Amino acid sequence: GNSVTQMEGPVTLSEEAFLTINCTYTATGYPSLFWYVQYPGEGLQLLLKATKADDKGSNKGFEATYRKETTSFHLEKGSVQVSDSAVYFCALTPTGTASKLTFGTGTRLQVTL
Amino acid sequence: GAGVSQSPRYKVAKRGQDVALRCDPISGHVSLFWYQQALGQGPEFLTYFQNEAQLDKSGLPSDRFFAERPEGSVSTLKIQRTQQEDSAVYLCASSPRRVGNSPLHFGNGTRLTVT
Repeated sequence: GNSVTQMEGPVTLSEEAFLTINCTYTATGYPSLFWYVQYPGEGLQLLLKATKADDKGSNKGFEATYRKETTSFHLEKGSVQVSDSAVYFCALTPTGTASKLTFGTGTRLQVTL
Repeated sequence: GAGVSQSPRYKVAKRGQDVALRCDPISGHVSLFWYQQALGQGPEFLTYFQNEAQLDKSGLPSDRFFAERPEGSVSTLKIQRTQQEDSAVYLCASSPRRVGNSPLHFGNGTRLTVT
C-alpha cells in the first residue's frame, strides 16, 4: 500500500537558519505529492504540491522537488522565521483518484529568535 | 468567505456513549472527506462522499462508525458505543471537484476524548 515517512521532530532552529524536512514515500505509479502545514490552533492548510516527477512546488519561500528516482519530496526553506513554527505533514494521493490523502506522521518545527 | 466548519470543537464522552460530529463544508463543494488524527500522528482517511453518495468507507475502523451526507452538503460522523481508542481529532475536509488533485480545505477538527 501507500505510505509516507518523514523525519521525526521536533526540529528547533534559530531564525534565519536553513530548513530541511525529509520525506520519502512508497506508492505504485505516479502519485501526487503535497506538503500541508498546521499552525497552532488552526486547521491543516496546503503549503505546496507537485504532480509529476521533477516538478518543484513552492510557496511562502518553501520549496520541494518531486524526485522519483529517490522517492523523495524534501521540504526546504532558506531562511526560517518565527512565524514558520508549525507542524508540517508530507502527503500523497495516488494518480487518478479523488483527493484521498495518505499522510506522514508530521514534523514539528520550532523557530526561536 | 467561510471555510469548513466543524462542531463541536471539543467533545468528552463516557465510554459506551454515542456521539455525533458535524461538518459544514464550503458551499458548493462536491467532495467531502473525514479523517481521524490520533495524538502525535498524521491524519488517517476514514470515508469519502461525492455529493450525497458515500463512495469510499474503507477507512472506517469498525461498524460502530457511521457517516452520512443526506443532502450532499452537511455531513455527520456518528460513533456508537465509544471506546477509549476512539479518542482523537476528527477532521473534515471538502473539495470543489469530484476527482483529481484539487486541494482539500480542512476544518479545525473536533477533539473527541473518551473517558
